[in-house]
Amino acid sequence: AQSVAQPEDQVNVAEGNPLTVKCTYSVSGNPYLFWYVQYPNRGLQFLLKYITGDNLVKGSYGFEAEFNKSQTSFHLKKPSALVSDSALYFCAVRDLMEYGNKLVFGAGTILRVKS
Amino acid sequence: DSGVTQTPKHLITATGQRVTLRCSPRSGDLSVYWYQQSLDQGLQFLIQYYNGEERAKGNILERFSAQQFPDLHSELNLSSLELGDSALYFCASSVAEVSTGNTIYFGEGSWLTVV
Repeated sequence: AQSVAQPEDQVNVAEGNPLTVKCTYSVSGNPYLFWYVQYPNRGLQFLLKYITGDNLVKGSYGFEAEFNKSQTSFHLKKPSALVSDSALYFCAVRDLMEYGNKLVFGAGTILRVKS
Repeated sequence: DSGVTQTPKHLITATGQRVTLRCSPRSGDLSVYWYQQSLDQGLQFLIQYYNGEERAKGNILERFSAQQFPDLHSELNLSSLELGDSALYFCASSVAEVSTGNTIYFGEGSWLTVV
């Protein structure tokens, strides 16, 4: 079964510093990977996805993610963190089922950006 | 705004009762997904519908059921509610039935509290 792991429950970073939120995956076949963000009392917002092509994927709000096949990782990055980036971040992988599909999510990582 | 609309946003009900959560997918999207988010279980896939037909099933309890109507809106019915059913229920949508590359967009969720 497809799965992702987010090894850090929480990441703390100072405003203006680069941030990384880690994700590793375990899949059979080609991985289709996604990052979502959840702000307090809000829904899940799509940030970016890796399907194929360039290993560096650019997404919304200045975020990017680096796909690394040898390390089976898909870390989320941003060069300069903002306080407003503080939220809950989820990595997810597409899991194809017999007649449909679903996203399998990691446990989530809380990002706290301090001013 | 993802374009996925869920109602109600908040709901408080008593144990043993039945509730219906409603979802309107993004314009043009034929697939609808339901997810449950709870503190102990994280984000769990419940069920997927495509153009009115069930396509994939996850860890959905027998007390729960869903359907997708001809106008593509979907409803999740939760019956014989228990305290443990208290959670945030997300609806999501995407264009295709099974498409590894398409993004799944989430609504803001329906908060269910069972007392």
